[in-house]
Amino acid sequence: DSGVTQTPKHLITATGQRVTLRCSPRSGDLSVYWYQQSLDQGLQFLIQYYNGEERAKGNILERFSAQQFPDLHSELNLSSLELGDSALYFCASSAERGVGETQYFGPGTRLLVL
Amino acid sequence: GDSVTQMEGPVTLSEEAFLTINCTYTATGYPSLFWYVQYPGEGLQLLLKATKADDKGSNKGFEATYRKETTSFHLEKGSVQVSDSAVYFCALSDKLSGGGADGLTFGKGTHLIIQP
Repeated sequence: DSGVTQTPKHLITATGQRVTLRCSPRSGDLSVYWYQQSLDQGLQFLIQYYNGEERAKGNILERFSAQQFPDLHSELNLSSLELGDSALYFCASSAERGVGETQYFGPGTRLLVL
Repeated sequence: GDSVTQMEGPVTLSEEAFLTINCTYTATGYPSLFWYVQYPGEGLQLLLKATKADDKGSNKGFEATYRKETTSFHLEKGSVQVSDSAVYFCALSDKLSGGGADGLTFGKGTHLIIQP
């Protein structure tokens, strides 16, 4: 158990809908990262927050957004969903920011868009 | 941009065999290198890491050495067990990529199957 929790575990929705994925980092970790894992694209970095502020964006679509709250939990919002958004979405956290920091991954949220 | 290349497999070995999973990278700056493992139905777990050239990361019998001259970080284990069956991801984090992002760039993963 990494100490990172994600809810829900599974999500089934329809095209055009909007969903919110939630992540609670390990106790004390300030950095939160979101990743998407799909069969065709593999594992891709989406976005990073550090202590409530956006730090960097990766391959995140404009239809997707995220935020980190004062209690350090984070939410990833996916809107105008398309079939191709079906994937496993991981949250990870690290104590600090920096290239050498170990990122601890949650169990993921599996999203299926029908 | 940064990239990681690794053999995709599946790689099938017998128990107690020697394991090598190759990983090479392209990076703009001075990356840190990682191996993560994903067991079925679970998230990724850090297996080992190295943050500078010539560092050797090791854990649970696995090891990998950061080779800057060959831009490689090959994963090795002397004697694999059935319980090592999983998907292994090589990854890097590079300060100069993504506008200073600390996000990891992953390889496509290597599916390892160990037969008794």
